[in-house]
Amino acid sequence: AQSVSQHNHHVILSEAASLELGCNYSYGGTVNLFWYVQYPGQHLQLLLKYFSGDPLVKGIKGFEAEFIKSKFSFNLRKPSVQWSDTAEYFCAVNALYSSASKIIFGSGTRLSIRP
Amino acid sequence: DGGITQSPKYLFRKEGQNVTLSCEQNLNHDAMYWYRQDPGQGLRLIYYSQIVNDFQKGDIAEGYSVSREKKESFPLTVTSAQKNPTAFYLCASSDRDMTISPLHFGNGTRLTVT
Repeated sequence: AQSVSQHNHHVILSEAASLELGCNYSYGGTVNLFWYVQYPGQHLQLLLKYFSGDPLVKGIKGFEAEFIKSKFSFNLRKPSVQWSDTAEYFCAVNALYSSASKIIFGSGTRLSIRP
Repeated sequence: DGGITQSPKYLFRKEGQNVTLSCEQNLNHDAMYWYRQDPGQGLRLIYYSQIVNDFQKGDIAEGYSVSREKKESFPLTVTSAQKNPTAFYLCASSDRDMTISPLHFGNGTRLTVT
């Protein structure tokens, strides 16, 4: 069955530190990949997405992610975090079956930034 | 503005009662989804529907039921058979082709069952 793993449950960083959040999925076929963010008290928002083409995708607010097919990974990165990046981050995978598709989310990573 | 409306924001029920959560979208999306969000477990898929009058079970469908009689609406009923119904429920919609329009989320309904 399709699954998504986010191994970092809670990450604490200081402002200006670099960020990398891990995401691995288990599905051998074609996938669409997403990172969503949930800021405190707000609804989930799309941060970035990968469908095809260049495996390095750039999203909003300076975030980027790299799709490495051989590692089934889609890690999220940001070179220098800000206090406003404090949020919960979710990786999601949409496996493309023949007749239907569903989106599976990881368990999330809570990011806390120390000012 | 287009979006997804979930109502109510907070819902309280007694154990043993069924309760229906509303989800309406005006984004003209074919696909709609229900997720449950619990601390440390992320979002787990309850049910999803790719088209009107059709829906599929997600990973944790037991104790839940849905209907999709209209494109805009995808209500979720939490039945008394659901063993642990207290949670935050999120509705989402998308185009059937994610490359056209990925998931859009509503603001959620927090259900408390006592």
